[in-house]
Amino acid sequence: SQTIHQWPATLVQPVGSPLSLECTVEGTSNPNLYWYRQAAGRGLQLLFYSVGIGQISSEVPQNLSASRPQDRQFILSSKKLLLSDSGFYLCAWSGHGTGELFFGEGSRLTVL
Amino acid sequence: AQSVTQLDSHVSVSEGTPVLLRCNYSSSYSPSLFWYVQHPNKGLQLLLKYTSAATLVKGINGFEAEFKKSETSFHLTKPSAHMSDAAEYFCVVSYRAGNMLTFGGGTRLMVKP
Repeated sequence: SQTIHQWPATLVQPVGSPLSLECTVEGTSNPNLYWYRQAAGRGLQLLFYSVGIGQISSEVPQNLSASRPQDRQFILSSKKLLLSDSGFYLCAWSGHGTGELFFGEGSRLTVL
Repeated sequence: AQSVTQLDSHVSVSEGTPVLLRCNYSSSYSPSLFWYVQHPNKGLQLLLKYTSAATLVKGINGFEAEFKKSETSFHLTKPSAHMSDAAEYFCVVSYRAGNMLTFGGGTRLMVKP
């Protein structure tokens, strides 16, 4: 069966520090991969999606970047965090054309 | 363009009473529709999905939803609420094979003893 892991689960970082959140998927190949952010009191915002290795699409301009160095690995990064980057970050995967997302457990980032 | 509106940001029910979470969508194409549940500090879990088969869809944990094209609605219901149903619920619409999903703003369900 397929599983998705993301880490770390919780992170407290100072403003201006770098960020790296990692997500891996097991039990499937060539998945679509997604990073969402859920800010307090707001819905889910799609940040990045990827349909293949090295193929990243950004949905909104921001202080973050994403990379997909391997088929089932998706990394969310920042060189310098801002206070507004605080939130709950969710990685997800889907098969191609299935319309169903499978989510990781989330990573809560607090920028101080 | 597609959009989805969850009409209530908060719903409060008593344990054992029915649950109704409302969702309306707009889409230029035949949509796929989903309901996800999110417990505090957790990822989202699929409750049920509609993909142009039966209009009444049954999901996990006793939830079901009915697709009504004439009303562009996909409301989520459950006959009897349980304390463990307290969570946030998201209605989601997708109309492209590229899996571009649009999320509603979410409805927080509270269940009182």
